[in-house]
Formats: sequence, C-alpha cells, structure tokens
Amino acid sequence: AQRVTQPEKLLSVFKGAPVELKCNYSYSGSPELFWYVQYSRQRLQLLLRHISRESIKGFTADLNKGETSFHLKKPFAQEEDSAMYYCALKKTGGYQKVTFGTGTKLQVIP
Amino acid sequence: NAGVTQTPKFQVLKTGQSMTLQCAQDMNHEYMSWYRQDPGMGLRLIHYSVGAGITDQGEVPNGYNVSRSTTEDFPLRLLSAAPSQTSVYFCASRDRESEQYFGPGTRLTVT
Repeated sequence: AQRVTQPEKLLSVFKGAPVELKCNYSYSGSPELFWYVQYSRQRLQLLLRHISRESIKGFTADLNKGETSFHLKKPFAQEEDSAMYYCALKKTGGYQKVTFGTGTKLQVIP
Repeated sequence: NAGVTQTPKFQVLKTGQSMTLQCAQDMNHEYMSWYRQDPGMGLRLIHYSVGAGITDQGEVPNGYNVSRSTTEDFPLRLLSAAPSQTSVYFCASRDRESEQYFGPGTRLTVT
C-alpha cells in the first residue's frame, strides 16, 4: 500500500530563513510526487510536481528515490508562504490513486 | 472555465438528517473524487469515479454515497448525518495526466 508521511504538523521559521518541509513516501512502483498548497480559507492548488522539475514561488523539490523522499525547499521564507502544505503521491497504472500526507502548516514569523 | 464548483459553502445539520453536497466540473475530466479534510488527518479519500456510471470506495466511505450520471457532476450524499462527519469536504477532478483540481470546499457541521 502507498503511504505519504509528513512528520511535522507545524513548522515555524523567521522571514528570510531557509525552509524545508519534509515528505517521505512508501510505494513499490514508480510514483509521481506532488506538493499542494492551501492558503488560509482557500482551495488546495498545485505547487509543484516532480516530473516538471520547475521552481514555483522560489520553492523546489527533488525526488530522491534512494531515500524515498520529496522534501520541499525554499532558501528564503516570505510571510506570504504561510500556508498548509500537502505532499501527495500518485500511483502509476490503473486508477492512479492519489494519496495525501497529513500536511504541514508553515508559519513564517515576520 | 469555472473549474470545479461546490455547493453549499457552509451547512449545519442535525444528527440523522440527510443532505447532498454538489460538485461540478467543466474541464471534461474523467476522474472525480471526494475528500474530507480533518485537523491532523490530512485529506482522506471518501469515494471516487473514473467516468460516468463508474464509482468506487476510497479510504473512508461509510455513511456516504455517490453517483456519476454525467461527466460533469459528482454529488456526495450523507445518508444519516453524524457528528463524526463534521469536516471540510473537497471535491476534485483530473484527467489521467494532470494534477488534481480542487473545489472551494464545503464546511459541514453536524450537531
């Protein structure tokens, strides 16, 4: 069974400090990994997907198959980055079920 | 395109009442899903559909029914509301290669 683990419920950092939101997964096949973000009282929206290898709003994430991780990083946190972040895994084949982690709330302190 | 729309935005029910949460998408997506979002639990899949006429259960299906008579619509029915169903409900749609597109959510309170 696939599983996504986000070990931190809350991460507080000062503005300008580096940010790393951790995500580990377990899946026997080749998954597709995503980061979704939810700003206060808004709908979830895609931030990054690993296959596109983009940097969005200064965030990057690299898939490390050896460590089964997909950590989200940003060198300098901004106040507007405060939000809930969810890591998600999509199976390959069949319905391609999407499993979400429990989420990490990022709080950027001015 | 409106994307994924949900109604209502807020709802308060008494224990035992039934209701339907509406979800519609105008992107011609094959796949549609319902999730519930609870603090500390993340997003949990309730039911999903891979096309009109085809639905299946997710992780937490008990107490909920769905149907998919058209590509666009995917309503979620609460048969007999319970306080444990107090949550925020999100509908999502996608096609095979895309990411999930989420609706704005329905905040449900069961008293």
